[in-house]
Amino acid sequence: RKEVEQDPGPFNVPEGATVAFNCTYSNSASQSFFWYRQDCRKEPKLLMSVYSSGNEDGRFTAQLNRASQYISLLIRDSKLSDSATYLCVALIYNQGGKLIFGQGTELSVKP
Amino acid sequence: GAVVSQHPSWVICKSGTSVKIECRSLDFQATTMFWYRQFPKQSLMLMATSNEGSKATYEQGVEKDKFLINHASLTLSTLTVTSAHPEDSSFYICSARNRGIPPLHFGNGTRLTVT
Repeated sequence: RKEVEQDPGPFNVPEGATVAFNCTYSNSASQSFFWYRQDCRKEPKLLMSVYSSGNEDGRFTAQLNRASQYISLLIRDSKLSDSATYLCVALIYNQGGKLIFGQGTELSVKP
Repeated sequence: GAVVSQHPSWVICKSGTSVKIECRSLDFQATTMFWYRQFPKQSLMLMATSNEGSKATYEQGVEKDKFLINHASLTLSTLTVTSAHPEDSSFYICSARNRGIPPLHFGNGTRLTVT
């Protein structure tokens, strides 16, 4: 079983749609969580951190449920520029700050 | 913000040759850097953790004699792919942490093609 698992995707949605990505993690030593965005053939870029209380950044909302080891990302009012691969990431502090990446979910927003 | 520079951005080499990739933290000191590899349509896989002044820690299945890592200073780590073969063709990305503060900062990646 992979340490971080995501929806297989791809997600093809029209502009303006709301889309949700799910992610589960298996390593209970995971202490912090992030969503990264990766455009084709580029390095990942941090989208947002994920907090237990839930957090929002504009059109993006992230949620963390430690009891069920589940993380989500909600994108409202999708834009064409949101098309990318979204990576769910767990940070393990006691292993030197190692990041474990999910396989990513590809999002394609169509006009 | 913190910047990590990786060089070269892309390289094409012949089978059997060695390739060195550099990763530099430009405006902070990084005691720990991480090397990832990403094959097409797959996620980033951690190869090794590079520690300044000591030996790297390799993930299971990664050959330490093939992927040589050197972290000689607080701002530079290098990955050398020795005797490269076509199956080593991949996207290699380094990352570094600024004083233990998450998240990691990524280099722009190196696309290696071995012919």
